[in-house]
Amino acid sequence: GAGVSQSPSNKVTEKGKDVELRCDPISGHTALYWYRQSLGQGLEFLIYFQGNSAPDKSGLPSDRFSAERTGGSVSTLTIQRTQQEDSAVYLCASSLDGRGRNSNQPQHFGDGTRLSIL
Amino acid sequence: RKEVEQDPGPFNVPEGATVAFNCTYSNSASQSFFWYRQDCRKEPKLLMSVYSSGNEDGRFTAQLNRASQYISLLIRDSKLSDSATYLCVVNKMSGSEKLVFGKGTKLTVNP
Repeated sequence: GAGVSQSPSNKVTEKGKDVELRCDPISGHTALYWYRQSLGQGLEFLIYFQGNSAPDKSGLPSDRFSAERTGGSVSTLTIQRTQQEDSAVYLCASSLDGRGRNSNQPQHFGDGTRLSIL
Repeated sequence: RKEVEQDPGPFNVPEGATVAFNCTYSNSASQSFFWYRQDCRKEPKLLMSVYSSGNEDGRFTAQLNRASQYISLLIRDSKLSDSATYLCVVNKMSGSEKLVFGKGTKLTVNP
């Protein structure tokens, strides 16, 4: 498809289980971002990948969270030993490489994964 | 001071009204500015970039005031379909790819 694709769209799991969320960015977009959005809250930055550079993990809330981006395309966000406070919508976005330009490239978002921890 | 600050609203306006949203940002080194809209339970979508000279896209006008570190969005002749949350977005610092999203201003346009 033409847009950012995320799966699953919904995930319900029990506290303590591990979950894996997938993001397939727009073809040709070298930058990929993960955010989460709790109910009624703004977007919280989690992690950013840019090409082959080391990812910016400064937003990951704990060491239970990790993400990979294989082959510079698809990314997976893994949450280990999930807690109830992890319940949120996890959004992935991608953009063209804006480095070296005077302005950022706009980010295009997927539909998100709605994660519910019971 | 928060990195990006917006009035959360809600703004309730009648169809056809003109409504303006404001946003302030804390980092004077920020170079890129956007307005996104987010419908209820949907992902954010780019509405428009904000340029130094100000820019207009149909009924939407965005302005940037670097001296005051202030961004605005004006919606003229508002439609029912404009009902959404409007997110002010700023890059974290010059040359940074990280964007900081405001919490958004909720707009409801009533018939």
